[in-house]
Amino acid sequence: GAGVSQSPSNKVTEKGKDVELRCDPISGHTALYWYRQSLGQGLEFLIYFQGNSAPDKSGLPSDRFSAERTGGSVSTLTIQRTQQEDSAVYLCASSLFAGGDTGELFFGEGSRLTVL
Amino acid sequence: GESVGLHLPTLSVQEGDNSIINCAYSNSASDYFIWYKQESGKGPQFIIDIRSNMDKRQGQRVTVLLNKTVKHLSLQIAATQPGDSAVYFCAESAGNQFYFGTGTSLTVIP
Repeated sequence: GAGVSQSPSNKVTEKGKDVELRCDPISGHTALYWYRQSLGQGLEFLIYFQGNSAPDKSGLPSDRFSAERTGGSVSTLTIQRTQQEDSAVYLCASSLFAGGDTGELFFGEGSRLTVL
Repeated sequence: GESVGLHLPTLSVQEGDNSIINCAYSNSASDYFIWYKQESGKGPQFIIDIRSNMDKRQGQRVTVLLNKTVKHLSLQIAATQPGDSAVYFCAESAGNQFYFGTGTSLTVIP
């Protein structure tokens, strides 16, 4: 596609439910990032995928959070047993990583999660 | 993680004036820096980037300055327009990881 696509754009769920957020990166981009942005805050790193390498999960806040990237393209971020503090905008970004140089991050529009 | 901070959380400027948004970073190993603009309800958009082998880079109406000695980054916007009103983030990168500051909210007064 022309840009990074995320779905759903908005998700309202009840506390304790599981949610899945999807990201379609720009075709050919080998690097994919998930960030979380709480209201009026900066971007908090969650997880990073690069090609076939093991993902960098160092930013995941708890074991309720997990992510996978299938076929080196689409990624799904899963939050189990959601809590109210999980309410935020979840942003996905992709990057063309070539020759050891990281290129700019291209962001999607985000998925706004509200946990009631 | 690394800390990236902004000196001014809010900035108001008159339309037509120049804007300067500042950012401090802490990792001396960071070698790539990006400025992003985020409008309400949207994802961050790339504005301009600079690598550590440069100290200045210019784009259309924007200039980024990098001072590695004091680990300081700034974004200058010339002839600020109402459409420039947004939150601006700086990001630093060392290797594959990017760290973002909390952002500066720029308001352009018509």
